[in-house]
Amino acid sequence: DAGVTQSPTHLIKTRGQHVTLRCSPISGHKSVSWYQQVLGQGPQFIFQYYEKEERGRGNFPDRFSARQFPNYSSELNVNALLLGDSALYLCASSPFPGQSLFYPPQPQHFGDGTRLSIL
Amino acid sequence: GENVEQHPSTLSVQEGDSAVIKCTYSDSASNYFPWYKQELGKRPQLIIDIRSNVGEKKDQRIAVTLNKTAKHFSLHITETQPEDSAVYFCAALRPGQNFVFGPGTRLSVLP
Repeated sequence: DAGVTQSPTHLIKTRGQHVTLRCSPISGHKSVSWYQQVLGQGPQFIFQYYEKEERGRGNFPDRFSARQFPNYSSELNVNALLLGDSALYLCASSPFPGQSLFYPPQPQHFGDGTRLSIL
Repeated sequence: GENVEQHPSTLSVQEGDSAVIKCTYSDSASNYFPWYKQELGKRPQLIIDIRSNVGEKKDQRIAVTLNKTAKHFSLHITETQPEDSAVYFCAALRPGQNFVFGPGTRLSVLP
């Protein structure tokens, strides 16, 4: 059974450019979350989507946006890239939103991430 | 919002010894606490989790304990092996909110 898959694995961009990162969740998982992991730190929450709707947004600027498709895959877009955007971007999936008030807490399963380097 | 602290930031143990990593959280409404292991260049992998209605959970050499009153939870690894060397992250989840991760602990198991 395939796990969470992300593409590309590595990406090099220059300041001011934009980037699109992609994620396919585990089969049957309807919730996708995006995290930014700077070297030496824990993952920082960016977005969560469930059933194509945004269910949570972390403390990131409007340059960051995301969407979820009918097949539950997701894209993370970052515009006007800054040097500080260099990080590992992780996607995680779960059957339901981890923070839902209607379902028991769900663990999140991570992909291998996309390593984004800004020059 | 929730804040998760994790100690120590680095930990070195001899092979066969035990390792303990402790996390504290600030929001008493948080009710789910997973632990992840991240090897160099690899994805974080869930190794154990605990819900707030349980005080302790064990899976072979790994155990997690939760003290809701003190708002802290700990990861215990017994009989450590070199392959346990990795960065370990704790996280906390409050209903209606999103996961908050600790800063990580780099565990080195020395042969």
